[in-house]
Amino acid sequence: DQQVKQNSPSLSVQEGRISILNCDYTNSMFDYFLWYKKYPAEGPTFLISISSIKDKNEDGRFTVFLNKSAKHLSLHIVPSQPGDSAVYFCAASAGGQNFVFGPGTRLSVLP
Amino acid sequence: GAVVSQHPSWVICKSGTSVKIECRSLDFQATTMFWYRQFPKQSLMLMATSNEGSKATYEQGVEKDKFLINHASLTLSTLTVTSAHPEDSSFYICSARDFDTQYFGPGTRLTVL
Repeated sequence: DQQVKQNSPSLSVQEGRISILNCDYTNSMFDYFLWYKKYPAEGPTFLISISSIKDKNEDGRFTVFLNKSAKHLSLHIVPSQPGDSAVYFCAASAGGQNFVFGPGTRLSVLP
Repeated sequence: GAVVSQHPSWVICKSGTSVKIECRSLDFQATTMFWYRQFPKQSLMLMATSNEGSKATYEQGVEKDKFLINHASLTLSTLTVTSAHPEDSSFYICSARDFDTQYFGPGTRLTVL
């Protein structure tokens, strides 16, 4: 049973527009969430995090929103750039336990 | 952020030989490190959790005698692929947790001929 889901395997967005990557989870005990970006043949790179005590965290072009009641979080990238084309993973942890990763969403930003 | 390194970044070996991959946390200590495998166009697959000073915890379906993990210090974990075969060819990634964030190494591409 997948505790962390990323239901869109891929997403295409025009350069300059907003990219919205979604992540849903089933475990209500999850209290800390991370987003990673991964290029081919490289390890994932940490992007941004959010704690369950917040509903939004912003870092430059990246904003993560958390809706605890819906068990849903999303990563917004605006404006999207071609260099943002990568696979994005969300991850969740409960009480400092090991992170559970979603299957990833491949983002393609078209010039 | 914290830095995790892996060595080697790419290794090619003959079938039947063993290959060791090192994972180091460069600027922090990690009691727990993780080993992942990624097949082409697929997600990360957690293989095992490496615990400093004790035995690794393997995920279901991962052969512990095939993938030997040693976490001898707070900054080093090693993964040894024993008697490697072509089906072991893959991209192996380690990670380590520093407080609330898990940091990943750059990965090691293993090709078994």
